[in-house]
Amino acid sequence: QVQLQESGPGLVKPSQTLSLTCTVSGGSISSGSYYWSWIRQPAGKGLEWIGRIYTSGSTNYNPSLKSRVTISVDTSKNQFSLKLSSVTAADTAVYYCARQGGYSYGFTFDYWGQGTLVTVSS
Amino acid sequence: EIVLTQSPDFQSVTPKEKVTITCRASQSIGSSLHWYQQKPDQSPKLLIKYASQSISGVPSRFSGSGSGTDFTLTINSLEAEDAAAYYCHQSSSLPTTFGQGTKVEIK
Repeated sequence: QVQLQESGPGLVKPSQTLSLTCTVSGGSISSGSYYWSWIRQPAGKGLEWIGRIYTSGSTNYNPSLKSRVTISVDTSKNQFSLKLSSVTAADTAVYYCARQGGYSYGFTFDYWGQGTLVTVSS
Repeated sequence: EIVLTQSPDFQSVTPKEKVTITCRASQSIGSSLHWYQQKPDQSPKLLIKYASQSISGVPSRFSGSGSGTDFTLTINSLEAEDAAAYYCHQSSSLPTTFGQGTKVEIK
């Protein structure tokens, strides 16, 4: 059973960089045809896809955030990470990491972390 | 970017009633439309993939239909445990996007 767990600071100051890590257990992050994504959800609102990294290391980002986002992977630790720079209060949200399957899975998000609340405030 | 618009935003339903949620895409996405359920303080859970394909472990009262731009999630005989927000999601093109959500409340 694959499990994902987000970790990182719960409070970030405006203009600083938000950094989160997702640790994957129950399977290797570099096996299979999977994408590893970050998704966020402001309180009481809907889901916004931030970006993803493939097992090969290639990345795709949401154009609305592309200039501020970097997603990377550390296969030795079975982790992938998110960095979001120049944050503002609008970046306050619950951040989820999730596994996205390939074509046969419909590119659906089949495993999710529990989510971690990140608040941007001075 | 493909915009997904769900209706209604909110629905209050009595147990055993049938619930229908629609999702309309701003352009044709074939069958690349999926549904998730999110209970309070939980992560989303995949319910239906490719518009109508069932997911192992999901109760059979959940079903999906549609193609192109118009899609429907149906919950037959609603149970109390189905109180949640429901989201549609398109994987036809990047950026992958979600509908704004439909909250289902149990009367």
